[in-house]
Amino acid sequence: IVLTQSPATLSLSPGERATLSCRASQSVSSNYLAWCQQKPGQAPRLLIYGASRRATGIPDRFSGSGSGTDFTLTISRLEPEDFAVYYCQQYGGPPYTFGQGTKLEI
Amino acid sequence: EVQLVESGGTVVQPGRSLRLSCVVSGFSFDDYAMHWVRQAPGKGLEWVSSITWNSYSRRYAGSVEGRFTISRDNAKNSLFLQMDSLRPEDTAFYYCAKDMRGGYDYGLFDFWGQGTLVSVSS
Repeated sequence: IVLTQSPATLSLSPGERATLSCRASQSVSSNYLAWCQQKPGQAPRLLIYGASRRATGIPDRFSGSGSGTDFTLTISRLEPEDFAVYYCQQYGGPPYTFGQGTKLEI
Repeated sequence: EVQLVESGGTVVQPGRSLRLSCVVSGFSFDDYAMHWVRQAPGKGLEWVSSITWNSYSRRYAGSVEGRFTISRDNAKNSLFLQMDSLRPEDTAFYYCAKDMRGGYDYGLFDFWGQGTLVSVSS
């Protein structure tokens, strides 16, 4: 399954709302779609799984939605620490694939 | 605290072999499937391989099938990736990652190591 994220880069300010999109080339089974965040020089961190379930310790300003082939990650009010690269990933079956990433910049 | 620490990355010539290791702590290693995921410098993420808790099932991305071998030693809380016939396109940070669900390969990564850099160059 090929995942296409848009936009490639999103420029916003702290306090604004961010909406990131992930589109799959075919339906993702059981909505097995996750989002992770990666900051420079760090490993990725799981944010959302099952399309809409927050991982442990993830603030509620992060939310996920969508089904089938179209998914969205929303960050309601951006904090300075939220500026990073975000990847969607499907785990409906191997090979597990990632989108190419959306860079969220100030 | 869950920790995953990779090692073994270095500069290696094309065609040569390399073995990566990942030592984990903070969870019951033999209860979980494990994965390797790589990231070429400045690029996106690519799943490489997975192994179930009992090593019965091992899966590989098409790009490494037949060249890489994943294994684990539950007694030593360790995961390995044997990489043979290395190519320049294998240059990447290699991360080990814990499967969130349990002993079988679910494909969802809830904890990651910091990565080890493999550079394939003559």
